Amino acid sequence: NAGVTQTPKFRILKIGQSMTLQCTQDMNHNYMYWYRQDPGMGLKLIYYSVGAGITDKGEVPNGYNVSRSTTEDFPLRLELAAPSQTSVYFCASSYAGSSPGANVLTFGAGSRLTVL
Amino acid sequence: RKEVEQDPGPFNVPEGATVAFNCTYSNSASQSFFWYRQDCRKEPKLLMSVYSSGNEDGRFTAQLNRASQYISLLIRDSKLSDSATYLCVVNEGTSGGGADGLTFGKGTHLIIQP
Repeated sequence: NAGVTQTPKFRILKIGQSMTLQCTQDMNHNYMYWYRQDPGMGLKLIYYSVGAGITDKGEVPNGYNVSRSTTEDFPLRLELAAPSQTSVYFCASSYAGSSPGANVLTFGAGSRLTVL
Repeated sequence: RKEVEQDPGPFNVPEGATVAFNCTYSNSASQSFFWYRQDCRKEPKLLMSVYSSGNEDGRFTAQLNRASQYISLLIRDSKLSDSATYLCVVNEGTSGGGADGLTFGKGTHLIIQP
């Protein structure tokens, strides 16, 4: 059981380049999320998805796009990379409900992105 | 604006000591509360959920004070391996019932010294 898997772990981009961060989970969670974490700051929600075919904006969506074609996969796309997007990106998943384990996030190991 | 405030530390504590830190939240309608632990350059991992009646898991005790809008984490008999950043997380609750209503604090950095 791999949990949440993110790739790549590290990437350096030039300004204006595009890339996709991949995320897959094998826990059959309906909810998936993308966060970014900047030094000394709390995690900020970029986008989330409540299930296949449904996505919604979080707190800081500008400059990013997502898709959710399957329950397992939730890629994050950066179209025109900017230095402000230098950050550590975490994908996470959870299941919704009222049971004790609901809404507990399982995170991937993170993707460290630098835009120069 | 929803806010979750934590003392960033660092808290430098000798091994074996007891340490406690608080987290305050601004939204009185917040529904659920968590402590996550994040090791350096790693992902956050759930340490414990915080229940209204308070809860304990081994050396860790979490408490919730709704009247004053804060949660606390107490670590007894601290170990070197407890060195990490502790993230306070508050769930505002959403219509969809998921975790998209979570607000993360910036974390409290704890260093256990031998």
